[in-house]
Amino acid sequence: QQPVQSPQAVILREGEDAVINCSSSKALYSVHWYRQKHGEAPVFLMILLKGGEQKGHEKISASFNEKKQQSSLYLTASQLSYSGTYFCGTELLSGGGADGLTFGKGTHLIIQP
Amino acid sequence: ETGVTQTPRHLVMGMTNKKSLKCEQHLGHNAMYWYKQSAKKPLELMFVYNFKEQTENNSVPSRFSPECPNSSHLFLHLHTLQPEDSALYLCASSRGPSGGKLFFGSGTQLSVL
Repeated sequence: QQPVQSPQAVILREGEDAVINCSSSKALYSVHWYRQKHGEAPVFLMILLKGGEQKGHEKISASFNEKKQQSSLYLTASQLSYSGTYFCGTELLSGGGADGLTFGKGTHLIIQP
Repeated sequence: ETGVTQTPRHLVMGMTNKKSLKCEQHLGHNAMYWYKQSAKKPLELMFVYNFKEQTENNSVPSRFSPECPNSSHLFLHLHTLQPEDSALYLCASSRGPSGGKLFFGSGTQLSVL
């Protein structure tokens, strides 16, 4: 039930935009997004609980398409501090979200000046 | 500082040793988790505890033995590990078992010789 993330890696210039996708083969209860910098613990970015829900955090936002069982993370006007590995984590509808988060393989984002 | 503390930060052990990883959270959360992160695989959910009761064991080998004496403390007891068990072990907590964001500790970097 591991979600599939794409792309695996992205290299951007500062100020450019990026989209990271996360899709599941099973119906989802929630989608979480986390960012992990090298040598540090993953840090929570946002959670989406309803189909079609969009949430924003500074210049980072996300959407959740319930029908397609997928979520996208949008990073606009990227900053150097956005570099890191982005993980989506999903909770399945079948478990009521109580089975713990299953994470995708991550997307490595490199922002160059 | 996320409110989740893991010790030790680094651990080197032989295949015949017995050691324990400790996790403590000061957030008043009711759910705690162990995740394994290695270079070859994404964040893998190992165990889930809700209100001190284990609710998920993700087909983890018996050489890993979790213990949750109360909702603030979580241990991972290790014995007769294999070199392929070398990884970063992350503890996390959340307010409840579903839909709650995870707060991760800094992890224990484990090397099995």
